[in-house]
Amino acid sequence: DSGVTQTPKHLITATGQRVTLRCSPRSGDLSVYWYQQSLDQGLQFLIQYYNGEERAKGNILERFSAQQFPDLHSELNLSSLELGDSALYFCASSVPAGSGELFFGEGSRLTVL
Amino acid sequence: DAKTTQPPSMDCAEGRAANLPCNHSTISGNEYVYWYRQIHSQGPQYIIHGLKNNETNEMASLIITEDRKSSTLILPHATLRDTAVYYCIVRVEGAGNNRKLIWGLGTSLAVNP
Repeated sequence: DSGVTQTPKHLITATGQRVTLRCSPRSGDLSVYWYQQSLDQGLQFLIQYYNGEERAKGNILERFSAQQFPDLHSELNLSSLELGDSALYFCASSVPAGSGELFFGEGSRLTVL
Repeated sequence: DAKTTQPPSMDCAEGRAANLPCNHSTISGNEYVYWYRQIHSQGPQYIIHGLKNNETNEMASLIITEDRKSSTLILPHATLRDTAVYYCIVRVEGAGNNRKLIWGLGTSLAVNP
């Protein structure tokens, strides 16, 4: 157990819909990262938040957005869903100091039909 | 961050040592070698990291060549639970650099009974 919690674990929805994925980082971690992993692909960095503020953006589509709340949990919003958005979405948090290794949640598997 | 090259797949007999190679010939002087693994669509798990000295923890050993252009992750007594995709990543130490990680496809290790 990494200490990072993601909900829901599985989500099935239709094209054009909107979903929200939720992440609670490890206690004490200020950074939250979102990654997308499509079938048989490597992890693609989407976005990072640090203590409530956006810190870095990766390959995140304009249809996707995220935020980090004062209690440090984060939400990833995916809208106007397309078939190609079907993927595993991982959240990770990192040690605030030192080497900064990432701790990942178990992921949310999104299926768009 | 420098890119890495790993074999796409490897096999290992249960109870034997698994030696997973990684080439990182363009690594910079301040870049560390990190290893993560991902067990069947679960969230990636941090294993170990190092700069130039060999490192060992309860999970594995990391051997880095003197010129730092390659490294080997050693699982001393592989078990069936070690079957996973192993990712070798190089990056500058510190949480602020996590957004720059380049996740390739890793090495798919199959531990056979």
